[in-house]
Amino acid sequence: QKEVEQDPGPLSVPEGAIVSLNCTYSNSAFQYFMWYRQYSRKGPELLMYTYSSGNKEDGRFTAQVDKSSKYISLFIRDSQPSDSATYLCAIWGSQGNLIFGKGTKLSVKP
Amino acid sequence: NAGVTQTPKFQVLKTGQSMTLQCAQDMNHNSMYWYRQDPGMGLRLIYYSASEGTTDKGEVPNGYNVSRLNKREFSLRLESAAPSQTSVYFCASGATGYTFGSGTRLTVV
Repeated sequence: QKEVEQDPGPLSVPEGAIVSLNCTYSNSAFQYFMWYRQYSRKGPELLMYTYSSGNKEDGRFTAQVDKSSKYISLFIRDSQPSDSATYLCAIWGSQGNLIFGKGTKLSVKP
Repeated sequence: NAGVTQTPKFQVLKTGQSMTLQCAQDMNHNSMYWYRQDPGMGLRLIYYSASEGTTDKGEVPNGYNVSRLNKREFSLRLESAAPSQTSVYFCASGATGYTFGSGTRLTVV
């Protein structure tokens, strides 16, 4: 089993929709969870960062960690065409480095 | 406020040629990383350097070498390029949340 699994999509939604992006992970000891956004032909940029379990909100974005299910989520409210990008979850792994999911490509249609 | 700077942005190599990808950061980070990104494979760690003078292998180190020249610079060398090394290469730096460069698109023909 891979340490981090993420559905690659693609995911297409209309403008204004609520988007839910998800990852599962294998090691219950993981504590640091991150979401990166990557626009086409650009490097990934850190979007949100959570420690342990619970929710963290930043504007239209909410990151959620459910440690009992080993499940992390990113919710985007009132999605905009400018949110169209690939979203990568990342977890601080047992080797002391970030382990990335494969990314979910999101398209928000006007 | 450059962050992480990678050069070159694009490169085409013939099989067997060598090249060095350069990376520099101006954020005073101790740790630096080299990743490759391929369709369907995600970001895979090639090598990393936890501090000046140290380097360690990541998930896919074969065919690559690295040099941590100083705290700012971390280079990745392909000694004899192969078509399987066609990829987008990203350098990153940071402790928990990484800052990435804009990438080098490498094609080996």
